[in-house]
Amino acid sequence: GQNIDQPTEMTATEGAIVQINCTYQTSGFNGLFWYQQHAGEAPTFLSYNVLDGLEEKGRFSSFLSRSKGYSYLLLKELQMKDSASYLCAKTGAGSYQLTFGKGTKLSVIP
Amino acid sequence: GAVVSQHPSWVICKSGTSVKIECRSLDFQATTMFWYRQFPKQSLMLMATSNEGSKATYEQGVEKDKFLINHASLTLSTLTVTSAHPEDSSFYICSAPSAGGGLAETQYFGPGTRLLVL
Repeated sequence: GQNIDQPTEMTATEGAIVQINCTYQTSGFNGLFWYQQHAGEAPTFLSYNVLDGLEEKGRFSSFLSRSKGYSYLLLKELQMKDSASYLCAKTGAGSYQLTFGKGTKLSVIP
Repeated sequence: GAVVSQHPSWVICKSGTSVKIECRSLDFQATTMFWYRQFPKQSLMLMATSNEGSKATYEQGVEKDKFLINHASLTLSTLTVTSAHPEDSSFYICSAPSAGGGLAETQYFGPGTRLLVL
């Protein structure tokens, strides 16, 4: 199957750190994307992991464990503008197709 | 970076009419483009894969006769919603892998087209 699971909603305080988890079925898995989507807009690319480990990119970091079918997106020094939905998506071997999770709506509060 | 455009950004139409949505890769060629649909508070669902010069590949449950896809050039794919009904009201988004990219390259999304069928 293609099940990708992530929490529906999260709330965090401005300046804090938040971790958004994503689990997926590992069959046919190639790589894992994270996208940010503001309401009414198209998704924008945040990160891509294909190897195990943590990749840091400024305030955002993404982690992947291929054997566990697990990834997380870590957002540091949260800002109000980080309030958005965060979509976890995977690709299969030999394919550009993205299969998305339902997204996690993050609300950053003062 | 790579840019994908969509036109129109907003469409309001009467039930029974057909609506055409264009997806263009502005600074790269895309032999493959993807069409997604997103209902409110839900994630993106892949509808079909558009292939330049050949027939589109539709996901299970998507009616190919209702959602016509034409990928006539390396920079343009069109999605036509035929005989649109209120339940077709949704946010339609296209994407394309960047030119020359391997699988590690990101897909670039168009800004989306919001369709409202009255």
